[in-house]
Amino acid sequence: AAGVIQSPRHLIKEKRETATLKCYPIPRHDTVYWYQQGPGQDPQFLISFYEKMQSDKGSIPDRFSAQQFSDYHSELNMSSLELGDSALYFCASSLGPSSGSVGNEQFFGPGTRLTVL
Amino acid sequence: GQSLEQPSEVTAVEGAIVQINCTYQTSGFYGLSWYQQHDGGAPTFLSYNALDGLEETGRFSSFLSRSDSYGYLLLQELQMKDSASYFCAVSRTGGFKTIFGAGTRLFVKA
Repeated sequence: AAGVIQSPRHLIKEKRETATLKCYPIPRHDTVYWYQQGPGQDPQFLISFYEKMQSDKGSIPDRFSAQQFSDYHSELNMSSLELGDSALYFCASSLGPSSGSVGNEQFFGPGTRLTVL
Repeated sequence: GQSLEQPSEVTAVEGAIVQINCTYQTSGFYGLSWYQQHDGGAPTFLSYNALDGLEETGRFSSFLSRSDSYGYLLLQELQMKDSASYFCAVSRTGGFKTIFGAGTRLFVKA
């Protein structure tokens, strides 16, 4: 079965650089979530999109932005990178309310490991 | 604010039953989910409760009491491969923003 695809899987950047992470949800999933997970930490909700509109916002820094495109893939743009941004970034997808689903079974991608030097 | 509490570590032997508790404080509660995560892997959905009661899925069961803001995950017939971190997660009204607990590390011993 198709799963959530994230690219790149690994990314190394210098401080103050920018990074773009991409997420391709499971076909027919209209909701995408982004999470940040530091070593030994729980996943921290950053932002979510439903039907290409931002549906909720969490602890996403102002230096980060995200969007969901017409084909439902999503991109997380990170600027002015800091050492503390080094983490695993997960994208998850789910069926949204329009499908009749409560949308709470989230399918996670393999993650992008970002290292800021 | 929103917060979830779960034990940091639990150790059990193969074949045993273990219960991982989760208490939460949140506004606009929508449902309680459970995820499993192996080291270096992605979280995997296990179970979800929106209403009070027990949900059973194979060896895993999850319980919710909304009046007590409490839930638990029950793992039966433990196997070595169940050694992982287990997170409870609360979705608030609307179902999108999901807050994870700090996770419970389960060690299964032979």
